[in-house]
Amino acid sequence: DAEITQSPRHKITETGRQVTLACHQTWNHNNMFWYRQDLGHGLRLIHYSYGVQDTNKGEVSDGYSVSRSNTEDLPLTLESAASSQTSVYFCASSVGTGRTGELFFGEGSRLTVL
Amino acid sequence: DQQVKQNSPSLSVQEGRISILNCDYTNSMFDYFLWYKKYPAEGPTFLISISSIKDKNEDGRFTVFLNKSAKHLSLHIVPSQPGDSAVYFCAARTKGGATNKLIFGTGTLLAVQP
Repeated sequence: DAEITQSPRHKITETGRQVTLACHQTWNHNNMFWYRQDLGHGLRLIHYSYGVQDTNKGEVSDGYSVSRSNTEDLPLTLESAASSQTSVYFCASSVGTGRTGELFFGEGSRLTVL
Repeated sequence: DQQVKQNSPSLSVQEGRISILNCDYTNSMFDYFLWYKKYPAEGPTFLISISSIKDKNEDGRFTVFLNKSAKHLSLHIVPSQPGDSAVYFCAARTKGGATNKLIFGTGTLLAVQP
């Protein structure tokens, strides 16, 4: 079955370290997204991509970067982790235009920055 | 500025009764509205959607109502079951905007008591 997987599922790091969260999908979806979930804020969009070599900033992109070198993967990098980036991160993917907007989410990566 | 709002952080109902989850929005350009359900330690999963040109969509025990004049939508679950206990997110997509980029509300935690 096609799926979307995130790794690691749990990560503890220190302030100032670089961290990369991996996201891999096997649906061959063009669109991929990274969200973070925080209490009182719901799901907020960090970065998104509509295809290979395409990346775009979301509403909370500061301190994060992504790259899209193939269809299957959209890794999320925190260049210098901050305590404010402690959160649960969700990767998602979807088909292109013409659909309702349904996203397929991974199981999440819980990141703690000490 | 929160474009999609879920003003009730939590809701508790008895098994067999109706659950009504509410969502308000401010952007008239939204063309699709979606509800997602999220269990602890899992990613959100798509539940039901409605186009802005409709006022009701039904799928089994789940019905979504859209009141465009009030910029309000609601999700009805009848009858509620203990397995429905989860966080429910309302989401909206901008009309004619970038493909499938969704803005989420803050979520409502539904507890269905046996």
